[in-house]
Amino acid sequence: KAGVTQTPRYLIKTRGQQVTLSCSPISGHRSVSWYQQTPGQGLQFLFEYFSETQRNKGNFPGRFSGRQFSNSRSEMNVSTLELGDSALYLCASSLPDRATEAFFGQGTRLTVV
Amino acid sequence: GDSVTQMEGPVTLSEEAFLTINCTYTATGYPSLFWYVQYPGEGLQLLLKATKADDKGSNKGFEATYRKETTSFHLEKGSVQVSDSAVYFCALNGIAGGTSYGKLTFGQGTILTVHP
Repeated sequence: KAGVTQTPRYLIKTRGQQVTLSCSPISGHRSVSWYQQTPGQGLQFLFEYFSETQRNKGNFPGRFSGRQFSNSRSEMNVSTLELGDSALYLCASSLPDRATEAFFGQGTRLTVV
Repeated sequence: GDSVTQMEGPVTLSEEAFLTINCTYTATGYPSLFWYVQYPGEGLQLLLKATKADDKGSNKGFEATYRKETTSFHLEKGSVQVSDSAVYFCALNGIAGGTSYGKLTFGQGTILTVHP
């Protein structure tokens, strides 16, 4: 069974640009969540999608957005990049039950210069 | 809101030493509790979980017991190996309106280094 796949693995962008990250969940998983990991703030929840609908959103500015497609694949977009957006962005997929674990991808390392 | 507090790190041990990483949480109701591990350059891997009070999760020699009375989920291992060196995260999946929203709340992580 294939795991969660995130592309690309590494990205370097310039301040002010925008970026789109992709996540393919485990087959059969309809819930996809996104997290930002930084040394200073740790792991912070961005948002979660289920059946193409955003069900929950963390405390991030509107520059961070996402969407989910009918095949459960998800993308997140960050517009007008800032230096502070440099982070590891992790995607997780799960079944829609709080008792089951989330499976994480290897992440996309975004560097904003 | 929900929160998770892990013991301050990093933790440095010799091989075969006993490991404890403390984790306490604040949440309404009965959250599910998890320990995740992250190796360098990797995403997070589930280590173990517990979904109700007094449940004990275990995997690869690691154990943690869901203690409702002390709101704790401490991670223990009787004999660590060099290969256990990694970052360990305690997390909870709470309840909002009786439904899971796929949101994990993480502790700050504990760096474990095991020397031969």
